[in-house]
Amino acid sequence: GEDVEQSLFLSVREGDSSVINCTYTDSSSTYLYWYKQEPGAGLQLLTYIFSNMDMKQDQRLTVLLNKKDKHLSLRIADTQTGDSAIYFCAERGGKLIFGQGTELSVKP
Amino acid sequence: DSGVTQTPKHLITATGQRVTLRCSPRSGDLSVYWYQQSLDQGLQFLIQYYNGEERAKGNILERFSAQQFPDLHSELNLSSLELGDSALYFCASSVWGDNEQFFGPGTRLTVL
Repeated sequence: GEDVEQSLFLSVREGDSSVINCTYTDSSSTYLYWYKQEPGAGLQLLTYIFSNMDMKQDQRLTVLLNKKDKHLSLRIADTQTGDSAIYFCAERGGKLIFGQGTELSVKP
Repeated sequence: DSGVTQTPKHLITATGQRVTLRCSPRSGDLSVYWYQQSLDQGLQFLIQYYNGEERAKGNILERFSAQQFPDLHSELNLSSLELGDSALYFCASSVWGDNEQFFGPGTRLTVL
């Protein structure tokens, strides 16, 4: 069945790059998404990538997609304390399936 | 601000009770989705409506039901509440289909 997996925690120092990884199972996924959830808030769409793309860059965010391995990653350059949040990857084949979320902690 | 509004923000109730959560989608969005976020289950898709019609069903319990009204706002009804129903309930909307979804701030339900 459809499944999306992420590691649960990531801790980095301010100014470093963060890489959050995600694997998915549905090979018919058309779009893959990254959402950010700050404490006490809803999910905010950060970026998305179409399944026929390998990479998408948007300011400090770089999304890499390895469709063969069904692996998606989100790189945040120059990570700031304001980037501390939970990051969800999601795939859309039929409905939207979310991973468990990766809690990113940025230490000053 | 995503443009999706949800009321109430917090809801505290007792087991066995029934509650209604309300969602107003972004202006122009025809699709509304409901999600449940809990510590043990993560973020689970419950149900989707498109222009008033049920479009897709996820892990929604029979005690739960939803509808979308002609003005496109949606309500999620939760009945015979159990302790395990305590969670954050999110509504999201999109223009059509499963295109980019914009999430509301959520309703935190606590069942005592």
